[in-house]
Amino acid sequence: DTEVTQTPKHLVMGMTNKKSLKCEQHMGHRAMYWYKQKAKKPPELMFVYSYEKLSINESVPSRFSPECPNSSLLNLHLHALQPEDSALYLCASSQGQGYSYEQYFGPGTRLTVT
Amino acid sequence: DQQVKQNSPSLSVQEGRISILNCDYTNSMFDYFLWYKKYPAEGPTFLISISSIKDKNEDGRFTVFLNKSAKHLSLHIVPSQPGDSAVYFCAASAFRETSGSRLTFGEGTQLTVNP
Repeated sequence: DTEVTQTPKHLVMGMTNKKSLKCEQHMGHRAMYWYKQKAKKPPELMFVYSYEKLSINESVPSRFSPECPNSSLLNLHLHALQPEDSALYLCASSQGQGYSYEQYFGPGTRLTVT
Repeated sequence: DQQVKQNSPSLSVQEGRISILNCDYTNSMFDYFLWYKKYPAEGPTFLISISSIKDKNEDGRFTVFLNKSAKHLSLHIVPSQPGDSAVYFCAASAFRETSGSRLTFGEGTQLTVNP
């Protein structure tokens, strides 16, 4: 099983709403990632969790708050977002946070902020 | 500063022929390279990777070549099939002891394989 699942597939939220994105993997991977991808652009790294601890935060605004409740789950809590935050949010996981470990991506959540 | 570049935004190839996708990088610290394929409305799918200690890696119809001196890699797809039509991203990684791996992606190349 090389699947990373993400819910919801689509999300529309207002600028005052609070919502969460969820990501799950059952491959025993110990590193999990959040990426943001705008149309016709490559994925941009937001956060990395390694062994359930936040190891990389790419200077992401505090309106995005990640959480890793256990080794299989990764959440991204959203609050007071801006329209420019509309994008495809991708979750990925890898065996470990080593340089040779391929990352496996979920299908993404298409977020629209109105 | 674009450390990984895919200079061709699009490539069109006839079914059965070879597709060659190119990628250049500038950071000499990169030591692991990956290719991902992405269909619309889906996440990227890992295709093939290569370590900097090798110059070629093959997996079925897909072969990746690495030229370290030129800081260039390429993905060959032979024979190309219509189902290969997708955006292909080149990605590179450099091991850092404190923060581990971080993938840097190129801008992507849209491959269209015509029947």
